[in-house]
Amino acid sequence: DAKTTQPNSMESNEEEPVHLPCNHSTISGTDYIHWYRQLPSQGPEYVIHGLTSNVNNRMASLAIAEDRKSSTLILHRATLRDAAVYYCILRDGQAGTALIFGKGTTLSVSS
Amino acid sequence: DARVTQTPRHKVTEMGQEVTMRCQPILGHNTVFWYRQTMMQGLELLAYFRNRAPLDDSGMPKDRFSAEMPDATLATLKIQPSEPRDSAVYFCASGFLLTGGGGGGYTFGSGTRLTVV
Repeated sequence: DAKTTQPNSMESNEEEPVHLPCNHSTISGTDYIHWYRQLPSQGPEYVIHGLTSNVNNRMASLAIAEDRKSSTLILHRATLRDAAVYYCILRDGQAGTALIFGKGTTLSVSS
Repeated sequence: DARVTQTPRHKVTEMGQEVTMRCQPILGHNTVFWYRQTMMQGLELLAYFRNRAPLDDSGMPKDRFSAEMPDATLATLKIQPSEPRDSAVYFCASGFLLTGGGGGGYTFGSGTRLTVV
């Protein structure tokens, strides 16, 4: 499986935008970029996913570099409830394989 | 919102006992996953099923773990005999995934916290 690299931790202030980076230089043409987050004492939660184009939903935006070797998850206005571990994962859409989680980025949000 | 339901939420058992964890996936989802989470190892994939058929169980210790889907509404993960190193949170997830079609997100349950003493 192609791997991703994320910072171990990031900090943000409430109501400010947060940009969570992810590097995936060995991404293949059929790999989708998935983001999940895990709040304390809960199961992981789907955030967003994309292939080539930028994606928006009610939770976040996903910006994908033109060469697809990196992506950024954007939380437009962080709240205290966004404090969580954020996982960037590549999944082979053609093979239909499972998600393999790495260590993710622990996001802290201060008021 | 549709949910993945896992039971029990917590389980404390003695070493050597059999443990069975259950998962009710979201109706209509064709793929079910079992993950285990510990502080040391993070989230590990144990096994997954598509249309109730096992696709990959290479992450499971074969001698003591078994996973089944007796029907579309129930997935089970069994440990026999249990050991203290099996203590972890076990998550079930489901999704509707197609090979060649990309696929969307998975929905995770709240997990079963297992403690083996």
